[in-house]
Amino acid sequence: EVQLVESGGGLVKPGGSLRLSCAASGLTFSDAWMSWVRQAPGKGLEWIGLIKTKTDGEATDFAAPVKGRFTISRDDSKNMVYLQMNSLKIEDTAVYYCTRDSPMDVWGKGTTVTVSS
Amino acid sequence: EIVLTQSPGTLSLSPGERATLSCRASQSVTGSYLAWYQQKPGQAPRLLIYAASSRATGIPDRFSGSGSGTDFTLTISRLESEDFAVYYCQQYDRSPTTFGQGTRLEIK
Repeated sequence: EVQLVESGGGLVKPGGSLRLSCAASGLTFSDAWMSWVRQAPGKGLEWIGLIKTKTDGEATDFAAPVKGRFTISRDDSKNMVYLQMNSLKIEDTAVYYCTRDSPMDVWGKGTTVTVSS
Repeated sequence: EIVLTQSPGTLSLSPGERATLSCRASQSVTGSYLAWYQQKPGQAPRLLIYAASSRATGIPDRFSGSGSGTDFTLTISRLESEDFAVYYCQQYDRSPTTFGQGTRLEIK
C-alpha cells in the first residue's frame, strides 16, 4: 500500500522553529518529486514547497510566503522528506500535508502546526 | 502566478442530479496540466482527475473532467451521497503550482 505519514507537528511560539517529517512507503521514493501543502483552519489548499529527485539535483522551490524561512530536504535511504520551518508566524498555523508531485496523487493524513504565544 | 477561480462557491444539489463545477485560469494552462481534488471534512484531499480529463486510479466513471486553455470543468454525472464534499482545481503547468479556492458541494 502506498502511504505517506507526516509527523512533528505541535504548538510553537512565533519566531520559533519546527521540523516536520514525512515517511513514505509502497512507492519508489527516489523517483518521486515531493511537495508540502498546507491548509489553514477553514481555508483552502496552499502549496508551500517542492523537492525534486536526486537525478534532478534535489532542487527545491518554495512559495513566496515561506521563501527564506522554510527548507525541504530528503533522505532517499530512509524514504523520508523533511520540512524545516524557521521564523514561524501566526499565519503559518495549518495542517501540513506531504504529497507526491505532480499531480499530487498520494497524500498523507497531515500534521497540525499551531503558532501561538 | 496563475490564479484559478472556481465557481460557484457553493453548489446545492440532490443525490442523483448532475453537478458541473468550473475552474477558470488567469493565463492559459498549457499541456492541460490541470487536476481536480475532492476533500471531505477531516480528511486529506484525494486526486480525482489529472491532465484535465484523465481519471485517477479507482475513481468512478461518474467523475469526468474537460476543458483546455483557461476554462476547465469537473462533471459528476449522477451524485451519490459520498460525493458531497469540497472540490479544488490545481494547475501544475507553471511554478508556483496553484489551487482554486474550492467549490463546496452540499446536499439540497
